[in-house]
Amino acid sequence: QQQVKQSPQSLIVQKGGISIINCAYENTAFDYFPWYQQFPGKGPALLIAIRPDVSEKKEGRFTISFNKSAKQFSLHIMDSQPGDSATYFCAASLISSGSARQLTFGSGTQLTVLP
Amino acid sequence: DTGVSQDPRHKITKRGQNVTFRCDPISEHNRLYWYRQTLGQGPEFLTYFQNEAQLEKSRLLSDRFSAERPKGSFSTLEIQRTEQGDSAMYLCASSLVPLKETQYFGPGTRLLVL
Repeated sequence: QQQVKQSPQSLIVQKGGISIINCAYENTAFDYFPWYQQFPGKGPALLIAIRPDVSEKKEGRFTISFNKSAKQFSLHIMDSQPGDSATYFCAASLISSGSARQLTFGSGTQLTVLP
Repeated sequence: DTGVSQDPRHKITKRGQNVTFRCDPISEHNRLYWYRQTLGQGPEFLTYFQNEAQLEKSRLLSDRFSAERPKGSFSTLEIQRTEQGDSAMYLCASSLVPLKETQYFGPGTRLLVL
């Protein structure tokens, strides 16, 4: 019940286009859903995060849409730029006895934005 | 705030050898996490510390793995009798709870076991 499923595995978009990455989770106890961006040779960096009490959060060109009933959330990157080319991970975490908000990650989406 | 640092960045070792990695968290962060990331996959939780206390371990952390965080500052992760399946990126992250739940990751240590 800790699994987070992410799709697509890879995504190619043209500069200026919209990139959409989807994730689905199983554990309804999850209460924090961050997206991380990872460049080659670097550690993941937090991009944007959402709690389940809101359906959408926007920060600049990045938007998370959250559907609690469907147990799905997605990342939208508007006006995608070549500099956005990276691997994106969705994640989920929960607070429970003994838990430290350990993050359960999806398998990642390699985004390539063509100039 | 200099970020999370990890050392070494790369390690090549032969099967059966012991290796030790170090993580220096962001100053004053009270929680420190270790994750493992294999190629093409997301990071997987290994263990975490609240100050100097190790409070949770994943079942991925076999008895060949040991982690410490003396004095609640830097942490070390040791792998004894390395196996080829241990080849991965080992990531460290830190956070300051309860003020902020964001986990800040270091650049990782890439381990290759020959």
